[in-house]
Amino acid sequence: QLQLQESGPGLVKPSETLSLTCTVSGGSISSSSYYWGWIRQPPGKGLEWIGSIYYSGSTYYNPSLKSRVTISVDTSKNQFSLKLSSVTAADTAVYYCARHRRTEGMDVWGQGTTVTVSS
Amino acid sequence: QSVLTQPPSVSGAPGQRVTISCTGSSSNIGAGYDVHWYQQLPGTAPKLLIYGNSNRPSGVPDRFSGSKSGTSASLAITGLQAEDEADYYCQSYDSSLSGPSVVFGGGTKLTVL
Repeated sequence: QLQLQESGPGLVKPSETLSLTCTVSGGSISSSSYYWGWIRQPPGKGLEWIGSIYYSGSTYYNPSLKSRVTISVDTSKNQFSLKLSSVTAADTAVYYCARHRRTEGMDVWGQGTTVTVSS
Repeated sequence: QSVLTQPPSVSGAPGQRVTISCTGSSSNIGAGYDVHWYQQLPGTAPKLLIYGNSNRPSGVPDRFSGSKSGTSASLAITGLQAEDEADYYCQSYDSSLSGPSVVFGGGTKLTVL
């Protein structure tokens, strides 16, 4: 059964870069036609899509975050990663990784990791 | 402000039926993109509840159903149970110059009275 697990620092200083990794187990990240995405949820608020990477390597970002986001994939490690630059307190959130297809939704989610931006 | 609009809250008594609406526009739901629904219990990751407008993943009770028409979609829950108390989110895609973007509704908190 496919599982996703987020990892990375739980505390990031303002203006620095947030870096998270999602490790895929129980299946291959190179599986045809899947997107691998990052979603975040600020405390007490709703879900916000950050961006996704297609199995082929193409990336798609939320237009409101695009200038600060980079998503990459390492197929040798079965991982994909998120980098969010110039963070502020507004980037404090639970960050989730998920697998998705356009017609099938986000069917597998990681448990989420809390990232706090504070000095 | 979310691209997809959901009511902030709905409520119902055990056994009743409730519906949650998700209103979009011609650039997302109205453009033909599928709508998916998620259930998020407190302190947990979202769980896929309905995919492709009206399909249930294995293990989801048939008390949950989805529909789509025009620029809107709806989630219906019949035979309401205490365990259904959660936040519910709709999700679709929106056309943009750089390719389709994933969009979520703002979420609806379901309270079982």
